[in-house]
Amino acid sequence: DTEVTQTPKHLVMGMTNKKSLKCEQHMGHRAMYWYKQKAKKPPELMFVYSYEKLSINESVPSRFSPECPNSSLLNLHLHALQPEDSALYLCASSQTGVGTDTQYFGPGTRLTVL
Amino acid sequence: QQQVKQSPQSLIVQKGGISIINCAYENTAFDYFPWYQQFPGKGPALLIAIRPDVSEKKEGRFTISFNKSAKQFSLHIMDSQPGDSATYFCAASHGYNQGGKLIFGQGTELSVKP
Repeated sequence: DTEVTQTPKHLVMGMTNKKSLKCEQHMGHRAMYWYKQKAKKPPELMFVYSYEKLSINESVPSRFSPECPNSSLLNLHLHALQPEDSALYLCASSQTGVGTDTQYFGPGTRLTVL
Repeated sequence: QQQVKQSPQSLIVQKGGISIINCAYENTAFDYFPWYQQFPGKGPALLIAIRPDVSEKKEGRFTISFNKSAKQFSLHIMDSQPGDSATYFCAASHGYNQGGKLIFGQGTELSVKP
């Protein structure tokens, strides 16, 4: 099973709301990633967790807060977002987190900030 | 130096034709070059990848050509089919360094006409 699941599929939130995106994989992968993708653009890396520790934070604003409760789960907590944060948020996982690992992407959460 | 430049931005090919997408990079430390395919509403999926110690890799109708001296690589899709219509992203990473960070090209929107 090479599936990464993400919930919810769609999310609409106001600028004062707090919400969370969830990602799950059962491939035994030890690296998990959050990406942001705007329309007709490539995915932009936000965070990498390797062996449940945050290993890369691409200078993402603090209104995005990642959490890795265990090796199968990855959350992205959202608070006080701006309309320009509207995008497709993709989760991915890979075996160990080295650059030659295949990254398996989920279908994404389409986020709209009003 | 961390950029990967991809062209063309969009490509229209007749069914049965050859689709060619080109990428160029500057950083000689890159040593892993994957191509991802993304259909609308889906996350990217690995199509084919190459390391710089080979000049060509073929998987079915998909071939990567790699020119290390020119720092260029390209994707060839033979006998293109309407089902190949998608956005294609080239990418590069540092292999076993830098924690699995992929540098994506800007993407090519391929449309295969029946």
